[in-house]
Amino acid sequence: AQSVTQLGSHVSVSEGALVLLRCNYSSSVPPYLFWYVQYPNQGLQLLLKYTSAATLVKGINGFEAEFKKSETSFHLTKPSAHMSDAAEYFCAVSPGSNYKLTFGKGTLLTVNP
Amino acid sequence: EAGVAQSPRYKIIEKRQSVAFWCNPISGHATLYWYQQILGQGPKLLIQFQNNGVVDDSQLPKDRFSAERLKGVDSTLKIQPAKLEDSAVYLCATRRGMQETQYFGPGTRLLVL
Repeated sequence: AQSVTQLGSHVSVSEGALVLLRCNYSSSVPPYLFWYVQYPNQGLQLLLKYTSAATLVKGINGFEAEFKKSETSFHLTKPSAHMSDAAEYFCAVSPGSNYKLTFGKGTLLTVNP
Repeated sequence: EAGVAQSPRYKIIEKRQSVAFWCNPISGHATLYWYQQILGQGPKLLIQFQNNGVVDDSQLPKDRFSAERLKGVDSTLKIQPAKLEDSAVYLCATRRGMQETQYFGPGTRLLVL
């Protein structure tokens, strides 16, 4: 069985500051890992994914994440926050090529001017 | 390419009434998923279709929820009768072949009074 824990239901940063959203997973098989972003009243949009290739993954809008097997983590970072980054972010895991996603509870990112 | 389309976007009903949601996938996407996203939580998979066949409906409350995907394209999700706890956003997602990424529609926001 798979599970995802997102530490911090709400993260607040200042514009221009580092964004760090934490995600830890558990999986009985080598996982595929995803970060999705959800803007108000919209569906989920894929930010980036890890599928057993490079452990440092770059995504859209300047985000990146690093897969650390020893720590079972897949934290999302962005060097400099922008007001437009304010949204809810979801980490998800699937058991390899099964592609069935199990989502975390989400982290709401607020960016202060 | 057009994205995943869902309708209606919003629906308000009273408990014990019935309701149906519609999803039109991205052209060529054989796999279709329905998720339930309760406020403050991540999406939870309800049912997965491969073409017009059900792959996984283990999380679908079959006493009140039903779904179909006739002809392997559009899909409908029905709730009958609705309960207060069914208030949520219902998301449709689709995937092409062996690609890992699921593409999400904007969702239908259901409020049961």
